[in-house]
Amino acid sequence: GESVGLHLPTLSVQEGDNSIINCAYSNSASDYFIWYKQESGKGPQFIIDIRSNMDKRQGQRVTVLLNKTVKHLSLQIAATQPGDSAVYFCAENGGTGFQKLVFGTGTRLLVSP
Amino acid sequence: DAMVIQNPRYQVTQFGKPVTLSCSQTLNHNVMYWYQQKSSQAPKLLFHYYDKDFNNEADTPDNFQSRRPNTSFCFLDIRSPGLGDAAMYLCAIGRGTDTQYFGPGTRLTVL
Repeated sequence: GESVGLHLPTLSVQEGDNSIINCAYSNSASDYFIWYKQESGKGPQFIIDIRSNMDKRQGQRVTVLLNKTVKHLSLQIAATQPGDSAVYFCAENGGTGFQKLVFGTGTRLLVSP
Repeated sequence: DAMVIQNPRYQVTQFGKPVTLSCSQTLNHNVMYWYQQKSSQAPKLLFHYYDKDFNNEADTPDNFQSRRPNTSFCFLDIRSPGLGDAAMYLCAIGRGTDTQYFGPGTRLTVL
């Protein structure tokens, strides 16, 4: 069945470092991927998305890379800040006509000052 | 301004006592979703409304129901909450296949 998983449950970095959060997906037919950030006690917050016809997409301090050959997705955060500390989820869209998100297990990012 | 509003933010109920959680939106998006998120887990889709059409996930227990009286509001009804239903319940909105936006969630405690 479909599954989206992450390699690392917790990532600890120093403030100012670059962070890389990885995600593997299994449904090769997925055409849309999203990264969400979830802070404690809050709902997931959209960070960035990418469609399967792209390999890379950049936002403000964030970059998403998609490698369809190995079914791998990554989120890169430049100059990580304490405010970036949260759980990050990747998700793939498994729906047709609507967005049915299949979430990965999540990676907790801890940023030390 | 908040796009997705969930009330209450915290709800305490007793085992077996029906409870209703509320979600409203300010964007008039046609799709509204309900997710259950247990501690340290990813959100799990319970069901969604596409306009007025209700779409239940195959593994959503019958204990969970939903109503959408109009475009702006959607309710999650838990008919007989069990201890295992304690979780964060997230509402999200979307427009067709566009990005989903989540509300802040309602944390449900079952005593």
